[in-house]
Amino acid sequence: SAVISQKPSRDICQRGTSLTIQCQVDSQVTMMFWYRQQPGQSLTLIATANQGSEATYESGFVIDKFPISRPNLTFSTLTVSNMSPEDSSIYLCSVAFSGNSPLHFGNGTRLTVT
Amino acid sequence: DQQVKQNSPSLSVQEGRISILNCDYTNSMFDYFLWYKKYPAEGPTFLISISSIKDKNEDGRFTVFLNKSAKHLSLHIVPSQPGDSAVYFCAASSLTGGGNKLTFGTGTQLKVEL
Repeated sequence: SAVISQKPSRDICQRGTSLTIQCQVDSQVTMMFWYRQQPGQSLTLIATANQGSEATYESGFVIDKFPISRPNLTFSTLTVSNMSPEDSSIYLCSVAFSGNSPLHFGNGTRLTVT
Repeated sequence: DQQVKQNSPSLSVQEGRISILNCDYTNSMFDYFLWYKKYPAEGPTFLISISSIKDKNEDGRFTVFLNKSAKHLSLHIVPSQPGDSAVYFCAASSLTGGGNKLTFGTGTQLKVEL
């Protein structure tokens, strides 16, 4: 397994601002993903973070709202842009060491937008 | 459209007894299924998985059963321990479609009582 560090662990932000969440893994991983868990909901995949190229977004998520970077095999960032209260969620970084291997998750970032 | 469903939001079991958590899915393309456990303020932790070529997979106290014809899987924990108290998520993916892209259920809160 891997140690997945996510920062910040929580934040309270004002609407209209942006927050960048960092995900650092202690070893190189093949795949990195960003998930969201809205209150009372299941985990929903936002996008696949591709190393050295643009992220692949799932239906309902766009790059302008959730820009993602992945400069190398151990680090990724997710930005939540122009936030509204509806963006209040837990955002989770997850990694896989190979295709079809189980995902491992960071502890998440609890975001509250006021 | 909720493709993975966990119809019981909560379950209470006595210590030492069996815990049975259920999950149903609707997408026939799913062929790989996983269970995750989540404690408060932590990310989900991988527990056990099963591919569609099997109908049972066992790992210590945890057993997952898959009924493909019914599109149903269950997680059995025996004997249940107080430390098993957590939220359990069922997840599914298609190995041909990228096995790391998981679709999650809404979770079942398990409480193991002394």
